[in-house]
Amino acid sequence: NAGVTQTPKFRVLKTGQSMTLLCAQDMNHEYMYWYRQDPGMGLRLIHYSVGEGTTAKGEVPDGYNVSRLKKQNFLLGLESAAPSQTSVYFCASRSLAGSRNEQFFGPGTRLTVL
Amino acid sequence: AQTVTQSQPEMSVQEAETVTLSCTYDTSESDYYLFWYKQPPSRQMILVIRQEAYKQQNATENRFSVNFQKAAKSFSLKISDSQLGDAAMYFCASTAQGGSQGNLIFGKGTKLSVKP
Repeated sequence: NAGVTQTPKFRVLKTGQSMTLLCAQDMNHEYMYWYRQDPGMGLRLIHYSVGEGTTAKGEVPDGYNVSRLKKQNFLLGLESAAPSQTSVYFCASRSLAGSRNEQFFGPGTRLTVL
Repeated sequence: AQTVTQSQPEMSVQEAETVTLSCTYDTSESDYYLFWYKQPPSRQMILVIRQEAYKQQNATENRFSVNFQKAAKSFSLKISDSQLGDAAMYFCASTAQGGSQGNLIFGKGTKLSVKP
């Protein structure tokens, strides 16, 4: 049971390049989330998904797109990277069942855009 | 916009002593959840403790306990018998109002140092 995994762990991009971050969870969770963490800002929600084939915008969605074609995977895409997207990106998942409302986090991806 | 406020950017505690981290939040919901997450230098987000708003009893997890004041919208974390491994960033979070997606609103964090 790996929990929540993220690929890659580190990446350096040039302005204008594109890339996709992959999040995978093996807990059969319905909900999945993408956050970004910037110094002094805490975590802010980018996009989230309440189930396979559905996505929704969070607090800071501009410049990002997401897809959830399979229940266990949640992809975050940057079509044209900008230096302002330099950040640490966290994926999280949560079960619909039960009342704990707990989100389980992946290890994060450090992205630098030059 | 809904906010979670951690007014102490940095805190320091002597090993074996007790420290309290502050958190206030705003929400219009009557039922919500509050969390404290720990982020050590490894960057992994680790759930420390959670509190359901409808429960009056303060949550406790071993050396970690909370002081939940619903009317004041305050949710402080007390760490007893502090250990070197407690040194980390601590984030307070609240479930977002308006919907059941369980989205979290995070504070900006408190960096805790533990002195030997």
